[in-house]
Formats: sequence, C-alpha cells, structure tokens
Amino acid sequence: DVKVTQSSRYLVKRTGEKVFLECVQDMDHENMFWYRQDPGLGLRLIYFSYDVKMKEKGDIPEGYSVSREKKERFSLILESASTNQTSMYLCASSLQGAETQYFGPGTRLLVL
Amino acid sequence: AQSVTQPDIHITVSEGASLELRCNYSYGATPYLFWYVQSPGQGLQLLLKYFSGDTLVQGIKGFEAEFKRSQSSFNLRKPSVHWSDAAEYFCAVGHTNDYKLSFGAGTTVTVRA
Repeated sequence: DVKVTQSSRYLVKRTGEKVFLECVQDMDHENMFWYRQDPGLGLRLIYFSYDVKMKEKGDIPEGYSVSREKKERFSLILESASTNQTSMYLCASSLQGAETQYFGPGTRLLVL
Repeated sequence: AQSVTQPDIHITVSEGASLELRCNYSYGATPYLFWYVQSPGQGLQLLLKYFSGDTLVQGIKGFEAEFKRSQSSFNLRKPSVHWSDAAEYFCAVGHTNDYKLSFGAGTTVTVRA
C-alpha cells in the first residue's frame, strides 16, 4: 500500500513565523501535491511537483513556496505565516499524470 | 477549465437506508473521475475511480458510481448505509494530459440511528 506521511498532525504558530510542513511518500511516485482544505471550499491546490526540483503553481500559491530536493519528499513553506493561512493542509502523491492521488493524514495549522 | 459541482452540502440519512451523492463536472473531453471519502480528522481515501470502459464502477465499502456522459455526472450510491459511513465525500475530475485533479466542495453525510 502507498503510504504518505506528514510531519505533524497539529501545529500552532505565531504570525510572521516561517513554517515548514513536510511530506514523505514511500512508493516512488513522480508527482506530489500540496492542498489546503477549508470548510465549504473543498480542496484547493497550492503547488505541485512532477519531478525532483520541478514545481508548478496551483490555484492559490500566494504566500507559499515549496521544495523538492528528493523524489520522496515534498515540503511546503510558509515564509511569513498569517492568520488567513490557518487551515488543514493535505499532501498527496500520484504515480503519473492524472492517476489516483494518495493522501496523507493532513496537518491542521493554527496561526495566532 | 474543468470544474466539479457537488450540489448537496449536507445529507442526513437513516442507517440502513440508501444513499446517493451527486456530482456534475464540466470538461470537454472524457475525464478521469474519482470519489474520495474523508473521515473526521483524517486524510482522503479513494472509494472508486472511472477511467474508461464499463460506466458502472464498483468501489470499496459497498459503494458504486455511474458515469453518465450525457448528463456530465458521476453519482455515488450505496444501497444500505452504515453508521460508519458518516463522513465527508469528495468528487474529483482529472484528465490524461494533466497532472492535476479538480475537487468538488464536498458533501457531508450524517447517519442517524
């Protein structure tokens, strides 16, 4: 079975802090994704990566950056956290193309 | 651009009753279609998917979905709901030439005893 793990289930940060969310997948998948989930809005794509060191903006990239130095690891960075970034963050991976995406358990981030 | 609409924000159903969740998509070509389920505090789990072939797709946990091209729909059904089916359900659409999936806003299912 594909396993996608996220470094934290819950995080509490202060406004202005730099925040790192990490995601690791163990199935040699090419593609990795970061979403945020907010009530009534479903999942919105922040960034995705289709190869090591490659990244593309999703629908809501503002205020975020990403890093993919190794195939199995995809990090989401909030350069200066703001209260409107309080949300559930979900990482996913897929083998290729628009194939099935496998999700991690999510990180619930609260920015005070 | 592709989009996904789940018209029902919240559905309440009695245990043992049937369930149908609606999903409509907007996309020019034949899409890849998915249903995911999210239990409280958890990530998303794939229930079933349609890529091609038989338009009636069977999934896990007794769910099935039917792709109807003429209606641009991919509705999810279960004949008899169990209390453990209480969760949020997401429909998603993708395409062979793209990496991304577009998700609907989700439908929350409450199961009453």
